[in-house]
Amino acid sequence: DTGVSQNPRHKITKRGQNVTFRCDPISEHNRLYWYRQTLGQGPEFLTYFQNEAQLEKSRLLSDRFSAERPKGSFSTLEIQRTEQGDSAMYLCASSSSSGGSYNEQFFGPGTRLTVL
Amino acid sequence: SQKIEQNSEALNIQEGKTATLTCNYTNYSPAYLQWYRQDPGRGPVFLLLIRENEKEKRKERLKVTFDTTLKQSLFHITASQPADSATYLCALGAYNFNKFYFGSGTKLNVKP
Repeated sequence: DTGVSQNPRHKITKRGQNVTFRCDPISEHNRLYWYRQTLGQGPEFLTYFQNEAQLEKSRLLSDRFSAERPKGSFSTLEIQRTEQGDSAMYLCASSSSSGGSYNEQFFGPGTRLTVL
Repeated sequence: SQKIEQNSEALNIQEGKTATLTCNYTNYSPAYLQWYRQDPGRGPVFLLLIRENEKEKRKERLKVTFDTTLKQSLFHITASQPADSATYLCALGAYNFNKFYFGSGTKLNVKP
């Protein structure tokens, strides 16, 4: 397994456009998290999936943001009607609820979004 | 709401010395606390986890302490090396692992 992958790595879009990011977690991991990180700040929690169920969603996540994890495998994060304030690095992390490294989050390389 | 404070100023130390980073928090009672390392342009990398009922955890040159009374965790890197230069993040976690709160990180510079 090569770890958590995210695509695309970079996305430049114009304000008002919709964007979708994909995250492929480590295959045996049942937990999946999305975070947003801006320069000089730590990752900010957006949402959490256990298998295919979205169990937690930040109040900071406006109705323009939606995430899915069909069949408990890969996940997508969609931002509708993007705003310049959405420019950030979007990070995905996965973890397992069992095994020797449980509770350890493995992060992907992130998708850097620039909204012009 | 919860608040997590890490030194915003960079920590500059000489190679071979011990680096100590601080994570303070308020308005929250985490079940556990994690430390991560982040290099520029990359996702964080997990280092250590310590539970609320543990006082200290060690892993090779790393040591973490957790004082739930002071609401503080200290992260130590002994015999620091230039390769340890990075930003270090602390994260607070809930019992059911449904969310994590990260600090803004402290940048460590280890000079040869």
